[in-house]
Amino acid sequence: KAGVTQTPRYLIKTRGQQVTLSCSPISGHRSVSWYQQTPGQGLQFLFEYFSETQRNKGNFPGRFSGRQFSNSRSEMNVSTLELGDSALYLCASNWGTGTTGELFFGEGSRLTVL
Amino acid sequence: EDKVVQSPLSLVVHEGDTVTLNCSYEVTNFRSLLWYKQEKKAPTFLFMLTSSGIEKKSGRLSSILDKKELSSILNITATQTGDSAIYLCAATGKTSYDKVIFGPGTSLSVIP
Repeated sequence: KAGVTQTPRYLIKTRGQQVTLSCSPISGHRSVSWYQQTPGQGLQFLFEYFSETQRNKGNFPGRFSGRQFSNSRSEMNVSTLELGDSALYLCASNWGTGTTGELFFGEGSRLTVL
Repeated sequence: EDKVVQSPLSLVVHEGDTVTLNCSYEVTNFRSLLWYKQEKKAPTFLFMLTSSGIEKKSGRLSSILDKKELSSILNITATQTGDSAIYLCAATGKTSYDKVIFGPGTSLSVIP
């Protein structure tokens, strides 16, 4: 069974640019969550999508957005990049219904903003 | 605001030592406490705890939840260099609509 796949794995952007990250969940999983991880901050929750609808949102500015497609694949977009957006962006999936529990994580997309 | 706190944030031990990692939470409508291990990139699931006082064990790792104290501990006995990782604690709410809130993690280094 294929795991959660995130692309690209690494990318370098400059301030002011925008970036789109992609996440393909495990087959059958309908919930996709995105997290930002920086040293010392742990995993900060960005948003969660379930059946193409944003079900939950963290405390990030509007420059961070996302969407989910009918096949449960999700993308997140960051516009007008700032130096502080440099981080590892992790995507996690699960079935999304019933008991909240184990999240299955991808390897992450490492974004560096210069 | 919901939050999860972990301590210590980092520690260095020698192989063979026993370590205890702490996690405390303040989460509305709390349901379960999760532990993850992050070695390189993707965190991997260790335990899910929902009942107070019941220890979960996997090899040299064990964990227990105390709902009265709103806390959990993760114990690792006879540590090995392969245990070096970031250990993440997370708390979930009762429904699928609740966020999974992560703590900052404890960075464990096991030296030979």
